[in-house]
Amino acid sequence: SAVISQKPSRDICQRGTSLTIQCQVDSQVTMMFWYRQQPGQSLTLIATANQGSEATYESGFVIDKFPISRPNLTFSTLTVSNMSPEDSSIYLCSVVGASGISYNEQFFGPGTRLTVL
Amino acid sequence: DAKTTQPTSMDCAEGRAANLPCNHSTISGNEYVYWYRQIHSQGPQYIIHGLKNNETNEMASLIITEDRKSSTLILPHATLRDTAVYYCIVPSIRNYQLIWGAGTKLIIKP
Repeated sequence: SAVISQKPSRDICQRGTSLTIQCQVDSQVTMMFWYRQQPGQSLTLIATANQGSEATYESGFVIDKFPISRPNLTFSTLTVSNMSPEDSSIYLCSVVGASGISYNEQFFGPGTRLTVL
Repeated sequence: DAKTTQPTSMDCAEGRAANLPCNHSTISGNEYVYWYRQIHSQGPQYIIHGLKNNETNEMASLIITEDRKSSTLILPHATLRDTAVYYCIVPSIRNYQLIWGAGTKLIIKP
């Protein structure tokens, strides 16, 4: 399996500020994704993090609000910019295509719980 | 993605088999059925997937009806640690682009 860590695990931020969330995988993976899970809700895919190129965003999410980097095959960051209370959510990183593991199994990090005041 | 319908919640006694149903009547011939679960305050965890044949692994069994319009996830001997939200997903674009519904909240009772 792929072991994923996220930093920070939780944070409380003031509106108007930005927070960068890091996702680190213990092995090289093909695909990395960022999800949002609003309180009491299911997961929503924000974007696919592409190595060496711009992320691919889902409908309703834009690069200016959620810039994403993926400098290599084991690391990605998601920034939540100009935050408002509506951005309070759990942000999750997931990966597909770890060495020796089929693309059918997606691994998730523990999540970053963000509260915006 | 093919739409899936799951009960909102279910209870099961510890040690008994938990049977979680999922309807996916609009599924097409080459679409897989995936099951994930999310234990409280954790990231989702892959359980199992299948196309048309029944599947079994160390976590669960997946029974898919012959017409593929529905499936059942079976946890053979449920424990308290199986309390979680269980998601049935039928991705249509790529198998890793998952669209998450509300899932079934399974509560295992002692």
